[in-house]
Amino acid sequence: QSALTQPASVSGSPGQSIAISCTGSSSDVGGYNFVSWYQQHPGKVPKLIMYDVTKRPSGVSNRFSGSRSGNTASLTISGLQADDEADYYCCSYTSSSTLVFGGGTRLTVL
Amino acid sequence: EVLLVESGGALIEPGGSLRVSCAASGFTFSSFAMNWVRQAPGGGLEWVSSISGTGGSTYYADSVKGRFTISRDNAKKTLYLQMNSLKAEDTAVYHCAKEFPGYYFYYMDVWGKGTTVTVSS
Repeated sequence: QSALTQPASVSGSPGQSIAISCTGSSSDVGGYNFVSWYQQHPGKVPKLIMYDVTKRPSGVSNRFSGSRSGNTASLTISGLQADDEADYYCCSYTSSSTLVFGGGTRLTVL
Repeated sequence: EVLLVESGGALIEPGGSLRVSCAASGFTFSSFAMNWVRQAPGGGLEWVSSISGTGGSTYYADSVKGRFTISRDNAKKTLYLQMNSLKAEDTAVYHCAKEFPGYYFYYMDVWGKGTTVTVSS
């Protein structure tokens, strides 16, 4: 159950778009549609912002989008806003009937 | 309002045992799977364990299998995590989290603020 691989940090200016990658294997990210993303602001609990690779829960901005290519999932945030500055975690169901998170990515809005 | 409130965190010596709890309100507790997710100081999220709505199915991360036991009391609307043979690396904030409706334990839509477990001599 190794953690999924995410970049430690990404940054972008307001209005720009950024993408955060999440790399796993055919036993998790590449093998199931149960891939999700969570946003966590400092001192706050995580918030579900993407599920089933590409679906947004009710109330989540359509500036957030998800995709997957092979064993790598990606979260794209368009029209960056100051409030997007947070930690982002991907998560996947695995062939062992477990869940595995990525190491997390700190997004800085310049 | 859907609410999850954890309790029971403490400073415990290596090798010791501890049970943390999560009191649920505002939803039909027995209808949803529940999860424990932990976050070490300054660290990322780590899934620990999940349990079905009836309690009949349980799932564990390799890092805690054989040491931790998840359970629930649906009459009391409470989730538990019994932690035995605690190690320093178990030090973390332990969050309980509710199933995103319809998706078993795969996604979590409501999280508690967590209870802190510190394993140290």
